[in-house]
Amino acid sequence: DVVLTQTPVAQPVTLGDQASISCRSSQSLVHSNGNTYLEWYLQKPGQSPQLLIYKVSNRFSGVPDRFIGSGSGSDFTLKISRVEPEDLGVYYCFQATHDRTFGGGTKLELK
Amino acid sequence: QVQLKESGPGLVQPSQTLSLTCTVSGFSLMDYSVHWVRQPPGKGLEWMGRMKYDGDTYYNSALKSRLSISRDTSKSQVFLKMNSLQTEDTAIYYCTRAMDAWGQGASVTVSS
Repeated sequence: DVVLTQTPVAQPVTLGDQASISCRSSQSLVHSNGNTYLEWYLQKPGQSPQLLIYKVSNRFSGVPDRFIGSGSGSDFTLKISRVEPEDLGVYYCFQATHDRTFGGGTKLELK
Repeated sequence: QVQLKESGPGLVQPSQTLSLTCTVSGFSLMDYSVHWVRQPPGKGLEWMGRMKYDGDTYYNSALKSRLSISRDTSKSQVFLKMNSLQTEDTAIYYCTRAMDAWGQGASVTVSS
């Protein structure tokens, strides 16, 4: 089974700063069709998760361009430039290449 | 607009079967897959399984022996059934359209 390891577990930030979250997979997430099915979700306090990024770097409809997904193979990063109050919450990476797996989550919180 | 709403019993006894319904609107079950995801209190997300738009199902291997997902396209509903419930199955259960639109979640407590 694929294991996704997110670091850090918690990321204290100051509003306006950049934040970076890592997601490492136990195996390559490149599908046999050439696509890499790595997604990022944000779960704000008391809310359902919401899709931010799909296929590594594609922003979902309505997601601000301060959210940038990157990476390849088994190593992926979500960067949030100029963190705003509505960006706080828990971020999850998710892979849909081999079965389906969520990472353990990274809590973005104020310093 | 796209909406998904989970419904079911809030309390289930240990060893019993959980039955949840996801009622959708704003899209057709024959055009989109519906997935189930759960979240134990204070913990992370676990993908459970999905009903594909063509009626095919696929399950998390860790839950496969206990889990069944079905649908009624005429009623725009997707059903989750999971048997042999234990206290560790206490969670919020979400249904989601292809992971891009989510219901508000249904809280399920397993307790006698």
